[in-house]
Amino acid sequence: GNSVTQMEGPVTLSEEAFLTINCTYTATGYPSLFWYVQYPGEGLQLLLKATKADDKGSNKGFEATYRKETTSFHLEKGSVQVSDSAVYFCALSDIKGGSEKLVFGKGTKLTVNP
Amino acid sequence: NAGVTQTPKFQVLKTGQSMTLQCAQDMNHNSMYWYRQDPGMGLRLIYYSASEGTTDKGEVPNGYNVSRLNKREFSLRLESAAPSQTSVYFCASSARPQGYEQYFGPGTRLTVT
Repeated sequence: GNSVTQMEGPVTLSEEAFLTINCTYTATGYPSLFWYVQYPGEGLQLLLKATKADDKGSNKGFEATYRKETTSFHLEKGSVQVSDSAVYFCALSDIKGGSEKLVFGKGTKLTVNP
Repeated sequence: NAGVTQTPKFQVLKTGQSMTLQCAQDMNHNSMYWYRQDPGMGLRLIYYSASEGTTDKGEVPNGYNVSRLNKREFSLRLESAAPSQTSVYFCASSARPQGYEQYFGPGTRLTVT
């Protein structure tokens, strides 16, 4: 079945450092890909998405490109802030029988220190 | 526009007790979902409802039941709680067809002793 593998954390960076969180997927067909973010004590929020190969999703300085040839959707940010401290989840859409579901990776906890 | 709301926010149960987690959305979405989040496990789908009147099992349905009461509301019931059901439960909803983005509630933290 479809699955997502993302780099294990935790990841600790200093403010203004460059961030990469790796995500690779296994899927039949051409799923949509997502990054969700979960701030402490809250539910998940959509950070960005890409619906087809070579699409680049971007939001709040974060970017990820849908790479079909490497089955990857790595999250990047050029200069992280303390407020970016959160857990990040990579996910893909899984459609069966006309119903859409999301398959999530296990999450990567990011801590940014001042 | 409240989005997705969940009640209660916290709950402690004894083994064998039952309870219902409530979820409602005001975005006129067709699809609704229940997930559980455990440390190191990410989010796992318990049940989902593609549209009003339909429900289907997800990855970890054992020990749970659901009811799609109407288009707005989707409840999750634990008939006989077990310590293995200690978790944070999230409800989500999505509209079709819109790229399958899901909107999440704030979660219910459940402890079973």
